[in-house]
Amino acid sequence: QQQVKQSPQSLIVQKGGIPIINCAYENTAFDYFPWYQQFPGKGPALLIAIRPDVSEKKEGRFTISFNKSAKQFSLHIMDSQPGDSATYFCAAKDQTGANNLFFGTGTRLTVIP
Amino acid sequence: GAGVSQSPRYKVAKRGQDVALRCDPISGHVSLFWYQQALGQGPEFLTYFQNEAQLDKSGLPSDRFFAERPEGSVSTLKIQRTQQEDSAVYLCASSPEEDYQETQYFGPGTRLLVL
Repeated sequence: QQQVKQSPQSLIVQKGGIPIINCAYENTAFDYFPWYQQFPGKGPALLIAIRPDVSEKKEGRFTISFNKSAKQFSLHIMDSQPGDSATYFCAAKDQTGANNLFFGTGTRLTVIP
Repeated sequence: GAGVSQSPRYKVAKRGQDVALRCDPISGHVSLFWYQQALGQGPEFLTYFQNEAQLDKSGLPSDRFFAERPEGSVSTLKIQRTQQEDSAVYLCASSPEEDYQETQYFGPGTRLLVL
């Protein structure tokens, strides 16, 4: 079963808009939550990550909001640009269990100029 | 510095053929992962190496899939008797950490098409 649920599947925004991508999980052992950006023909690249001891993390135009009690986290892209058009994946990792990342199904973002 | 590289970038195989996919991780990275990414989906874990030891192969879908990393650097994922459902992008990732492996650096992937 899908350990990390991601929505929406696709998203179209105008340049300057603030796309928001949401993820939810059930496994309370997860304690590391990264977001990856993937361009066509490329591998995923780490964008930003958060641990559950903070509710928000900001790096440049990218912000993660984390709600531990709801087991949800989201990515916000401020002042989105056409170059941000890509597929975004949320992921989760259990530091004490499996070594691998569990990925969401991805959100295809298109930023219209 | 060089990132993770994978070869070939594209592979077309006839059903029943064997294929071998290569991963060159970032030099010095202890941990190496293989993931399978179906079209329109997120990567799914296949197997994990720490140096030359394969510590987790729970994600390998069948005994037709085999991975090795004999000298603790380059890794090869082999698929025997390929089936159409094996068509996917195979991603390799490496990490410098022995524990936690949080920062995983991905290669560009090998796109496998089985006809």
